[in-house]
Amino acid sequence: GAVVSQHPSWVICKSGTSVKIECRSLDFQATTMFWYRQFPKQSLMLMATSNEGSKATYEQGVEKDKFLINHASLTLSTLTVTSAHPEDSSFYICSGRGLGTDTQYFGPGTRLTVL
Amino acid sequence: QKEVEQDPGPLSVPEGAIVSLNCTYSNSAFQYFMWYRQYSRKGPELLMYTYSSGNKEDGRFTAQVDKSSKYISLFIRDSQPSDSATYLCAMKGTGGGNKLTFGTGTQLKVEL
Repeated sequence: GAVVSQHPSWVICKSGTSVKIECRSLDFQATTMFWYRQFPKQSLMLMATSNEGSKATYEQGVEKDKFLINHASLTLSTLTVTSAHPEDSSFYICSGRGLGTDTQYFGPGTRLTVL
Repeated sequence: QKEVEQDPGPLSVPEGAIVSLNCTYSNSAFQYFMWYRQYSRKGPELLMYTYSSGNKEDGRFTAQVDKSSKYISLFIRDSQPSDSATYLCAMKGTGGGNKLTFGTGTQLKVEL
């Protein structure tokens, strides 16, 4: 199957700082990338969908100015959590989907802890 | 009411048992059904992908969809300790832009 990587795998930051998470499709071109958030013992909640070269589409209740998404190339998308607060602590997972395909391939996730 | 309901478990079974995992849903527009396996602190891994009603088998795994009852199942035969993980059902409607809707996941533990 296709491989998606994320970096970093875990990060701890102080409240008020910004954190950038990278998502890369290693062996396919991800024309669409998805960002999810998962709280402990809860399901994945879609935050936003981004198509390469376009602005991301955010789900209801997700602040686009707080969670900045960039999908500048077919193999890289970034999520920046700006002015992070403890309630932003979560497991962030990205997935990629190739052109004309229906399957999403997930990255290993990034655990963010905001102190 | 959630669109997708899934018992969170935990479900504990002995090695070699047949495991049955289930999800119910309320949105009749869902046409594609998936099962993902997620190990602790890892991303989900696609196990099974089915379209509409019926059965699909892949090795020790069988996915079953009953659209009339809005009910899907994943059966694991001859369960192994390495099957211990959280199993998430996911589904979507037709159209390339439709997002996946996930269940909360069922935590499975297969004991020696």
